Amino acid sequence: GAGVSQSPRYKVTKRGQDVALRCDPISGHVSLYWYRQALGQGPEFLTYFNYEAQQDKSGLPNDRFSAERPEGSISTLTIQRTEQRDSAMYRCASSLIRGAGDTEAFFGQGTRLTVV
Amino acid sequence: KNEVEQSPQNLTAQEGEFITINCSYSVGISALHWLQQHPGGGIVSLFMLSSGKKKHGRLIATINIQEKHSSLHITASHPRDSAVYICAVETPDFGNEKLTFGTGTRLTIIP
Repeated sequence: GAGVSQSPRYKVTKRGQDVALRCDPISGHVSLYWYRQALGQGPEFLTYFNYEAQQDKSGLPNDRFSAERPEGSISTLTIQRTEQRDSAMYRCASSLIRGAGDTEAFFGQGTRLTVV
Repeated sequence: KNEVEQSPQNLTAQEGEFITINCSYSVGISALHWLQQHPGGGIVSLFMLSSGKKKHGRLIATINIQEKHSSLHITASHPRDSAVYICAVETPDFGNEKLTFGTGTRLTIIP
């Protein structure tokens, strides 16, 4: 597709279950970012990849959260032993590696995660 | 005119100096990022902020939403701080959000 694709769009899970959120970036985009956004709040940076290398994971809230991008394309954000406070919109963005001039990154539609 | 302007484009300073890099933007934003790119190409997120000030070690980032301006400060600079520093802004348009990068500031700290 032409844009960043995330799946599933909506996920309802029971507390304690593991969930995996998928992001398919724009073809050729090197950089991939994960954010989450709680209702009524601004986006919170989680982690970031260049190719398959995870550059910064300082935004991951705790060790139940992990992300991978094994082939430098599709990325998966995994949340283990989900808790109600994990409920949020999880957003993914991708961009060309930064070069001369402005570079834009484009966001997917997000995955709305609800933990019950 | 770029939506995100950084200054200076290049900065050389002596070890120990206080460094300031500026970022001005022309659009309404939901957040602003400061990133660091080392010579090997890897990019690291330093800060994400939407108001006020954040501090991490020797790095301080401030933002003035009314003036559409942010600054990144480095205290007691060190040669290992040599890198390209990039400002990026998020524009709050759900369904069509984007992150726009400035052209970067190349910082060189001389021992």
